[in-house]
Formats: sequence, structure tokens, C-alpha cells
Amino acid sequence: GAVVSQHPSRVICKSGTSVKIECRSLDFQATTMFWYRQFPKQSLMLMATSNEGSKATYEQGVEKDKFLINHASLTLSTLTVTSAHPEDSSFYICSARLGQGDTDTQYFGPGTRLTVL
Amino acid sequence: RKEVEQDPGPFNVPEGATVAFNCTYSNSASQSFFWYRQDCRKEPKLLMSVYSSGNEDGRFTAQLNRASQYISLLIRDSKLSDSATYLCVVNGAAGGFKTIFGAGTRLFVKA
Repeated sequence: GAVVSQHPSRVICKSGTSVKIECRSLDFQATTMFWYRQFPKQSLMLMATSNEGSKATYEQGVEKDKFLINHASLTLSTLTVTSAHPEDSSFYICSARLGQGDTDTQYFGPGTRLTVL
Repeated sequence: RKEVEQDPGPFNVPEGATVAFNCTYSNSASQSFFWYRQDCRKEPKLLMSVYSSGNEDGRFTAQLNRASQYISLLIRDSKLSDSATYLCVVNGAAGGFKTIFGAGTRLFVKA
């Protein structure tokens, strides 16, 4: 299957710092990537949809100024958590969409575990 | 009503058992369906797509019932390594690509 990488895998930072997470599709071009957040024992929650060359589409309740998304190329999307606070501690997972129709599948990166102290 | 609903479980079964999960979805316009597997503290991994005709992959069988708006996953001859959370995923609706994840069903297979 398609491979998606994510970096870093784990981040521990102080409150108030910004954290950048990279998501790369390694063996395919992804016009669309997705960013999810998952709190312990909860389901994946879509944060935003990242389209190459255009602004990201954020889900309701997700602050676009706090979670900056850049989809600079067909293989790279970045999520920057600005001025992180302890409540932002979570498991952040990206996925890349292979294909363009409604039957497409998503392939997930290995996730980034963010801990804000 | 949630767009995608799953029994959270947990399902506790012995090795070798057959176990089945169901998932219901509310949007009749949904186009495609998948089962993903997520291990603890890991990302979801695609297990299999679900087709209207039903499909089988080794010990795993997935079925779709559009009339009743549910999909199912059957695992035969359970292995210890099958212990995980199984996520039902529904794609597509009129107007665009939208992915909805179920909250997952937890499975524990015991020796």
C-alpha cells in the first residue's frame, strides 16, 4: 500500500511554544491530505482538509490561526500548532488521499504524539 | 444520531473464535466503506474495503447492506494478534468527499 510518513513521532514542549509537524506521501502524489486529532480512548476527529496550492478547510470548532496548515507540494503538508498549551496535548495523525473519486482510500501517517507541559 | 455508529465493545473472545462487528451509517448517499484497524497508540491501518457484493480476505469477511445502511466485519479463527480497535469508515456524500470514522470496536483475543 501507499506510504505516508510523519515527523516528528513524538514532541514534548513547554507551554507557549510552536510545534511543526510534517506529513509526507512517499510513493505517490496526494492532492489532498487530512489532519486528525485523537484524544485517549476517543475516535479520530478531523481537524482540517489540506489541498495542495490552496487554503486548508477547517472543521467547525478548529481555530485556523492556532493550527496553521501549509500544503506546499503534492507530497508535503505541514501542521503548526502555534502557542501550544497543555490542552493541545494529543495524538495528531495525518492522512493522504490516493485518487480523486469518492471511493478513494486514505493512508495514514504513523502519528505525532504531542505533550505540552 | 451519529453519522457512523459502532458498538464500542470490548469484545473478549478466545483464540479460534469467530467474532462479528456491525456498523451503521446514517447518510444513504454514502459511497464507499472501509474497515480500518488501529492498535493502541498507533495510526489506523486499512484492513479492507467493503463492496456491495461482499468481499473476503483470508479470515476476514466484510459485507455491505445498503438497504439497512450497515456494514459488517467477520473475523474467523481469531488470533491473539487480532486484538485491536476496528474502525468503520464511511466515505462520500452528495456534494463531495467526506470521511466519517466510527468510534471503533475494541477486540481482545485471549489465549
